[in-house]
Amino acid sequence: AQRVTQPEKLLSVFKGAPVELKCNYSYSGSPELFWYVQYSRQRLQLLLRHISRESIKGFTADLNKGETSFHLKKPFAQEEDSAMYYCALLVAGKSTFGDGTTLTVKP
Amino acid sequence: GAGVSQSPRYKVAKRGQDVALRCDPISGHVSLFWYQQALGQGPEFLTYFQNEAQLDKSGLPSDRFFAERPEGSVSTLKIQRTQQEDSAVYLCASSLSQVPYEQYFGPGTRLTVT
Repeated sequence: AQRVTQPEKLLSVFKGAPVELKCNYSYSGSPELFWYVQYSRQRLQLLLRHISRESIKGFTADLNKGETSFHLKKPFAQEEDSAMYYCALLVAGKSTFGDGTTLTVKP
Repeated sequence: GAGVSQSPRYKVAKRGQDVALRCDPISGHVSLFWYQQALGQGPEFLTYFQNEAQLDKSGLPSDRFFAERPEGSVSTLKIQRTQQEDSAVYLCASSLSQVPYEQYFGPGTRLTVT
């Protein structure tokens, strides 16, 4: 069975500091991995997906198959990045989500 | 355009009551998903439709849970004889393509069973 682990429930950084939200997965095949974000009082939305190798709002995520990780990174955090972040693994139409990390960026 | 909508937004049910939760996906979206999100946890997959076909219902926790999408658009998640452990936020998402590389989520229905 697929599993996604986000080891940090809470993460707090100062504005301008680098931030890394960790995600580890267990799946024996080729994974499709995503990061979703939920800002306060908004609905869950896609942030980025590994297949497009894009940078969204300054965030990037690299798939490391050897370490089975898909960590989300941003070199300089902004206050508006404060939100809940979920890592998700997609297999055959079924998404498995981690339990999320709440990121707080302090001024 | 309009996003995914869900109704009701909040539902309080007495233990043993039946409830029906509605999801209106984005028009033209082929795939529709239901998730259950307990407090402090990530969304958990319940079931998945492609048009009117229910392709995967492996996440439905018991036979008290039933979902349908008879005309390939609106979907209803029904829970019979609700129990306290059914209290959660129920999320619906839709995707334009058969492979859900981008899912658009609704605001959720918060179900509280007393």
